[in-house]
Amino acid sequence: AQKITQTQPGMFVQEKEAVTLDCTYDTSDQSYGLFWYKQPSSGEMIFLIYQGSYDEQNATEGRYSLNFQKARKSANLVISASQLGDSAMYFCAMRERAGNQFYFGTGTSLTVIP
Amino acid sequence: DVKVTQSSRYLVKRTGEKVFLECVQDMDHENMFWYRQDPGLGLRLIYFSYDVKMKEKGDIPEGYSVSREKKERFSLILESASTNQTSMYLCASSAKSGTDNEQFFGPGTRLTVL
Repeated sequence: AQKITQTQPGMFVQEKEAVTLDCTYDTSDQSYGLFWYKQPSSGEMIFLIYQGSYDEQNATEGRYSLNFQKARKSANLVISASQLGDSAMYFCAMRERAGNQFYFGTGTSLTVIP
Repeated sequence: DVKVTQSSRYLVKRTGEKVFLECVQDMDHENMFWYRQDPGLGLRLIYFSYDVKMKEKGDIPEGYSVSREKKERFSLILESASTNQTSMYLCASSAKSGTDNEQFFGPGTRLTVL
């Protein structure tokens, strides 16, 4: 079974609008971390935001927030006030307490329309 | 400024050549990873290392080997390059423990095998 599922291969959003990128995960660990990365066309992976499994509050970092629903095993990324520079691939990832490995989804390509 | 560097951004090799991809990190991280990224498939783990001279196979190790003689350096080796190894290769590192420790990525190497 896939550890991380991103069901939206591509998304479009109007500039200045908000957009939600979906991510669901599968783990039997009680302790885990969830990450979102941005990959512009240049190729480098940029860390955006982190959510711990025991965090009671949703994580926020500037225009990025994470809608964490533990019972549903979802960790959706919300980007508010989209900018043209937000056009990129976005990857959701998980790290379990047991083990050193990170698990990545297949990514969502976001295009911001002027 | 923490950094993961990769020896080449772009590489063109011929079928059958031995190819070395080098990765160096300056964060004193125990864990290092090699991923392959292909459109629609996300990041797939080739190998990772959790200590000097230690390595573990990832999801797609066939056709690859790795070497970690020093903590800061992790090399990916294609013993006999084939056209189906044309891809983007990403190196990453992370601290050993803690679900909140994200991975730091290098800029990637776009390898073309002719």
